[in-house]
Amino acid sequence: AQKVTQAQTEISVVEKEDVTLDCVYETRDTTYYLFWYKQPPSGELVFLIRRNSFDEQNEISGRYSWNFQKSTSSFNFTITASQVVDSAVYFCALNSNTDKLIFGTGTRLQVFP
Amino acid sequence: DTGVSQNPRHKITKRGQNVTFRCDPISEHNRLYWYRQTLGQGPEFLTYFQNEAQLEKSRLLSDRFSAERPKGSFSTLEIQRTEQGDSAMYLCASSSRTGGDYEQYFGPGTRLTVT
Repeated sequence: AQKVTQAQTEISVVEKEDVTLDCVYETRDTTYYLFWYKQPPSGELVFLIRRNSFDEQNEISGRYSWNFQKSTSSFNFTITASQVVDSAVYFCALNSNTDKLIFGTGTRLQVFP
Repeated sequence: DTGVSQNPRHKITKRGQNVTFRCDPISEHNRLYWYRQTLGQGPEFLTYFQNEAQLEKSRLLSDRFSAERPKGSFSTLEIQRTEQGDSAMYLCASSSRTGGDYEQYFGPGTRLTVT
């Protein structure tokens, strides 16, 4: 079975705090892809990152960083020095030997000034 | 580069009526996907096309739902005899598999409310 679990339903932080969003996935396939999407209040899903199962290197893009660990089946997302504009729902998703994305239930991040 | 567009953005209909949504993918993307998202949940896969061929349909897609992609360009999703449980955001996405590019790019969605 393929599944994505985002155990954190909602996180609230104050601006400039660092925050980590957790994602745990399940799949029996050896080749798969993991994604993070951002859904701001406007509703449109915005692609943030794709990582394939053979590349465990962590990635940093500005204030965003991702930690992929196959040993724990996790693909966590950290925002450094959070800003109010980061407030959104963040979804982790899995694409495993099919073309459909399997999404977690999302984590709502609220960043207060 | 124009993104994925969806029309209408909002639709309110009475139970039992038929509705049709349209999705225009990113130019030259040969794959087009439909997802449904209910409040507080992540998007759930409904169906997808490669060019004009519908390759997979979810069990979520009952007989009242039909999707088409004539000529492999835009797609329509029709719901017949709508029910209150059909109220959701319907999301369309497109992708191109060339060069290992597997990201799906989403449109703004059509929010359906069935009264």
